[in-house]
Amino acid sequence: GAGVSQSPRYKVAKRGQDVALRCDPISGHVSLFWYQQALGQGPEFLTYFQNEAQLDKSGLPSDRFFAERPEGSVSTLKIQRTQQEDSAVYLCASSLEGGSRQPQHFGDGTRLSIL
Amino acid sequence: GDSVTQMEGPVTLSEEAFLTINCTYTATGYPSLFWYVQYPGEGLQLLLKATKADDKGSNKGFEATYRKETTSFHLEKGSVQVSDSAVYFCALSIGGAQKLVFGQGTRLTINP
Repeated sequence: GAGVSQSPRYKVAKRGQDVALRCDPISGHVSLFWYQQALGQGPEFLTYFQNEAQLDKSGLPSDRFFAERPEGSVSTLKIQRTQQEDSAVYLCASSLEGGSRQPQHFGDGTRLSIL
Repeated sequence: GDSVTQMEGPVTLSEEAFLTINCTYTATGYPSLFWYVQYPGEGLQLLLKATKADDKGSNKGFEATYRKETTSFHLEKGSVQVSDSAVYFCALSIGGAQKLVFGQGTRLTINP
């Protein structure tokens, strides 16, 4: 498809396990973003890539969260030693190029539940 | 810091009613403003945007005008339909920061 693709759609893990969430951006999109959306809230920024460079990771809540985009296309968000407060929908978005005027295109998200 | 405040929901209207969802922002610079919509079971979709003062964004009958003097970007529609039922998010983005700052969302339900 032509949109942003995220997998898995749903992930259930036990507290303490590590998880990896995948994002396939729109082909040719330079910028890639990760957001965390708690139930009933707006998305909150986690991190941003321009090509393979991670230019902003100010929103990552702890050092258990790690994101990479090694070839400037697919990105993975990894959460180590998961905790219950990590339960949320994780959204990936991409945009064609840099600049605040560019619209971001969102995937359907991965709903993460930590038991 | 930069923030967005939206009208609290939920909002329930009858079909063909006039809709306003208020949005105000606080920003350290000159932001671009966006409205995103999330239909049930779907991802966030861009509804409309405005990048400078007095610009009006419009799409699918929805409009919002960038008001710098009141730091507002209220969403309006003259006659809502049942299919407009969704959660609406106001957001801003500034300069090189790239990231979107979202409001908390407003759930809209339209009854036939």
